[in-house]
Amino acid sequence: DQQVKQNSPSLSVQEGRISILNCDYTNSMFDYFLWYKKYPAEGPTFLISISSIKDKNEDGRFTVFLNKSAKHLSLHIVPSQPGDSAVYFCAASAAVAGNTPLVFGKGTRLSVIA
Amino acid sequence: NAGVTQTPKFRILKIGQSMTLQCAQDMNHNYMYWYRQDPGMGLKLIYYSVGAGITDKGEVPNGYNVSRSTTEDFPLRLELAAPSQTSVYFCASSHGTPSNQPQHFGDGTRLSIL
Repeated sequence: DQQVKQNSPSLSVQEGRISILNCDYTNSMFDYFLWYKKYPAEGPTFLISISSIKDKNEDGRFTVFLNKSAKHLSLHIVPSQPGDSAVYFCAASAAVAGNTPLVFGKGTRLSVIA
Repeated sequence: NAGVTQTPKFRILKIGQSMTLQCAQDMNHNYMYWYRQDPGMGLKLIYYSVGAGITDKGEVPNGYNVSRSTTEDFPLRLELAAPSQTSVYFCASSHGTPSNQPQHFGDGTRLSIL
């Protein structure tokens, strides 16, 4: 049973427009969420995170929004650039349940078209 | 700035053979992890370690063993390779717990078992 779901396997966006990647989770104990970016033949790279005490975290072109009541988070990339083309993984952890490892979604492949 | 180094990058094994995937980090991180990623899937945790001499099972530990004799190294051992273990393996490390510290990943080992 998937605790972290990324229901869109792929997304195509034009350069300069906004990319919105979505993630849903089922475990209400999750309180720390991260987004990772992965290029082919490389390991995932940490992009941005958010704690459950916040509903928004911003870092340059990247913003993560958290809606705890809906158990939903999203990553916004504005403006999208061709170099953003990669697979994006959502991950979650539950501090209150002890040192629980990260649970990853299956990923969304973003293609930014010039 | 090496970060997390995994060797080898590629390997082909015959069924029943054994091998050790090496992982080393130079960031003095206490936490280390082994994941596998199957095609179209997210990362699944095999084993993790919170410090030298301490290891624990993740979601998919069967068929694997680990040891953590030093802070820097966290090798993953496959004793009797099976086709189901064909995957890309990622090692990661973090300074703190998964609940508040992002993980840093190596570039992976692509393993095929024929």
